[in-house]
Amino acid sequence: GQNIDQPTEMTATEGAIVQINCTYQTSGFNGLFWYQQHAGEAPTFLSYNVLDGLEEKGRFSSFLSRSKGYSYLLLKELQMKDSASYLCAPYTNTDKLIFGTGTRLQVFP
Amino acid sequence: GAVVSQHPSRVICKSGTSVKIECRSLDFQATTMFWYRQFPKQSLMLMATSNEGSKATYEQGVEKDKFLINHASLTLSTLTVTSAHPEDSSFYICSRPRGKNSYNEQFFGPGTRLTVL
Repeated sequence: GQNIDQPTEMTATEGAIVQINCTYQTSGFNGLFWYQQHAGEAPTFLSYNVLDGLEEKGRFSSFLSRSKGYSYLLLKELQMKDSASYLCAPYTNTDKLIFGTGTRLQVFP
Repeated sequence: GAVVSQHPSRVICKSGTSVKIECRSLDFQATTMFWYRQFPKQSLMLMATSNEGSKATYEQGVEKDKFLINHASLTLSTLTVTSAHPEDSSFYICSRPRGKNSYNEQFFGPGTRLTVL
């Protein structure tokens, strides 16, 4: 089976930096996705990490450590529109995406 | 633009009735599509994998006789919630893989909010 753990809620201030952690235990691990989901909407793709290390994409970066079963999503220069849920999803050789509980981020002015 | 559509976007029905939700892949012939359910303030839970031309594969704990999935063509999968009850009220989302040789990034439909009275 799979076990995925993320903080349930986080708050931050506009312009700040926030790091959302995800730990996972899976078999047949291939890589890890991060998705963003605004309330009442479908998830949208943010990043996919296969190799260890940090991948930067604009204000968002994602880190993976395969040996530790650990990933984080780093959001810089936070904006109000970044208030959303962030979903960690390991991708395994079952060809299915299994989502973590999601982290609800609220950005305050 | 959107690559996956769902219809209807919202549906309200009476307890005991059946509701059909359609999921269309607009730009890609998808042999596999996925159905998720999401309760308020919770994450997406995979319900089943829809396979074109064959039976769907259901996740543990999902009643296959209650949630009927039909993948009759390469662009359409349907989910029918049979004899719906208030506890079936949820946000239902479908998705399809990015492509044949992709790393299985999934494109999601806009979702269908089902309310059972």
